[in-house]
Formats: sequence, C-alpha cells, structure tokens
Amino acid sequence: GAVVSQHPSWVICKSGTSVKIECRSLDFQATTMFWYRQFPKQSLMLMATSNEGSKATYEQGVEKDKFLINHASLTLSTLTVTSAHPEDSSFYICSAREFKLGRIGANVLTFGAGSRLTVL
Amino acid sequence: EDQVTQSPEALRLQEGESSSLNCSYTVSGLRGLFWYRQDPGKGPEFLFTLYSAGEEKEKERLKATLTKKESFLHITAPKPEDSATYLCAVLYGGATNKLIFGTGTLLAVQP
Repeated sequence: GAVVSQHPSWVICKSGTSVKIECRSLDFQATTMFWYRQFPKQSLMLMATSNEGSKATYEQGVEKDKFLINHASLTLSTLTVTSAHPEDSSFYICSAREFKLGRIGANVLTFGAGSRLTVL
Repeated sequence: EDQVTQSPEALRLQEGESSSLNCSYTVSGLRGLFWYRQDPGKGPEFLFTLYSAGEEKEKERLKATLTKKESFLHITAPKPEDSATYLCAVLYGGATNKLIFGTGTLLAVQP
C-alpha cells in the first residue's frame, strides 16, 4: 500500500531558529500533499495544501511567511517553520493523496507518522 | 457551519465488552466519511471509507455504518490492542480534497 515518510520524527530547537520537516511519498506520486497540525487531545487542523510546481494554498489564519511550504517534486513536500517560537511547538503531520480512478473518495489520504516539534 | 463531532471523548472498556463510537456531521454535500485510527505519537492510519447512507464496512472487530447525519464505529469484543484514538473525517462538497476531522474518541481497552 501507499507509504508516506516524514522526517524528522521529533525535533527540539531554540526559539528563533528555523526547522524543516520533509514529507515523502515512497511508492507513489503525489501531486497534492497536505500539512496538518495537531495539539494534544485536539483534532487535526489543516494548515495548507501543497501543490507540486505551484504555490501552496494556506488555510485561514495560517501565516504563509511563518510556515513555508515547498513541493519540489511529485514525491517531496517540505514545511519550514521559520523563526520558531514556543507557541509553534506542536505535532505536525503531512498526508498525500494517491490518485486512483473512480470515486473521489477512493483517493484515500495516507498520513505520515508525524513530526513532534518542541521549541525551547 | 460545517462541523464534525465525535462522542464520547473517551471510552474505557473491558476486554470483550462491545461498544460503539459516534461521529455526527453537519456538512453540505457529503462525498465521503473516513475513519482513522491514531496511536500516540503517530499519524492516522486509514480504516474505512463510507460514501452513502446505509453503507457498512467491516474489518476484523470493527464495523462502520453511515446514516445521513452520523456514522458509528462498532467494536465487537475488543482487545487491548484496539486501544487508540479513533478519528472520523468528512470529505464534503466545499472542496475536493479537504478533510474535516472530529476531535476523536480515545478508547482504552483493559485486559
């Protein structure tokens, strides 16, 4: 089945530094990837939709200059948290859609294992 | 407002004690309802997709059903390894690929 690899799985950084998280689709091409953020005991909140070869689409309230997304190829999307602050500490999860012919719901999203960011 | 609500927030069962989790939704133009399992510190793992009212899907001890307003995830004779957070998500007519997630039900199955 489809596999999405996310790296790093956890990262600790100092306030003011930038952190890059990678999301790779290992055995399929993903023209679209999604980045979610999850706080403890809360639901996944969509941050942005990453499109290969074009600019990402950000959800309302998400700072595009803060969370830089680059979809460099059909198998790789990166999320860079710039000038991270303690309030950016969270669990970041990416997902990718494996395109299949048929009902659109059949294009199931496969999620990465997530990246735990802690900003000191 | 488009919304997905799950209940209960947390559920503790004894091994073998069957129960159901609820996912209620208010969206325009449901295109699919998804159930995921999430273990601590991990990404969601896909379980089921349901497309229309009356549809049912089964996998081992899990069975998902769908009505026009809600979905149930029935767990029959659960085992401790079924302990996890169960998330439902809705794909709706407002966008082709966006999922709205519920807050999840934390299930703990005690031996």
